[in-house]
Amino acid sequence: LAKTTQPISMDSYEGQEVNITCSHNNIATNDYITWYQQFPSQGPRFIIQGYKTKVTNEVASLFIPADRKSSTLSLPRVSLSDTAVYYCLVGDRTPLRQLTFGSGTQLTVLP
Amino acid sequence: NAGVMQNPRHLVRRRGQEARLRCSPMKGHSHVYWYRQLPEEGLKFMVYLQKENIIDESGMPKERFSAEFPKEGPSILRIQQVVRGDSAAYFCASSPSSRSKRTSGTHEQYFGPGTRLTVT
Repeated sequence: LAKTTQPISMDSYEGQEVNITCSHNNIATNDYITWYQQFPSQGPRFIIQGYKTKVTNEVASLFIPADRKSSTLSLPRVSLSDTAVYYCLVGDRTPLRQLTFGSGTQLTVLP
Repeated sequence: NAGVMQNPRHLVRRRGQEARLRCSPMKGHSHVYWYRQLPEEGLKFMVYLQKENIIDESGMPKERFSAEFPKEGPSILRIQQVVRGDSAAYFCASSPSSRSKRTSGTHEQYFGPGTRLTVT
């Protein structure tokens, strides 16, 4: 499994756009990039997944450059309720197997 | 459609006692995963089960820990003779079968709220 590296923590203010970058230098050809969000005292929640270029859903956007050695999760106009830990996961799209979580990025949104 | 249910939400045990953690997957899901999260750390995979079968238990300690997912009823993670190092949040996740139309081949697993085990 490809190893991922993320910043340990980030601070932002309400209404700002937040970009969290994840490095995965040894990503394999079949690997996808997936982001999960975890609020305090809750289980993680799937946010978004992508393979290349850009993916957007109602929650976030995911930017993946051509070399795929990194990816950026973009959260538009964050609010206090977006304060959470964000995990970047890399692996093939084989369903029904374990997920490997790193340490994640603690995002704190300030008023 | 109720999400993944876990109970109890909080469990306090003294050293040497047994802890039983229960997980009811989402309706229609037949695959269950258990993860453990120590304070200030990410989740670590423990075991993956289908109904009546353990598929992958590579992340589960060989001693004192066991898991089951019977034909009827919830999945149970059992920790015998608990020690203080077992104090953690234990999360259960479920996913539909690979034949489910709902499966898009993503990593998507649906997590429960967790059980926080405290060993005193």
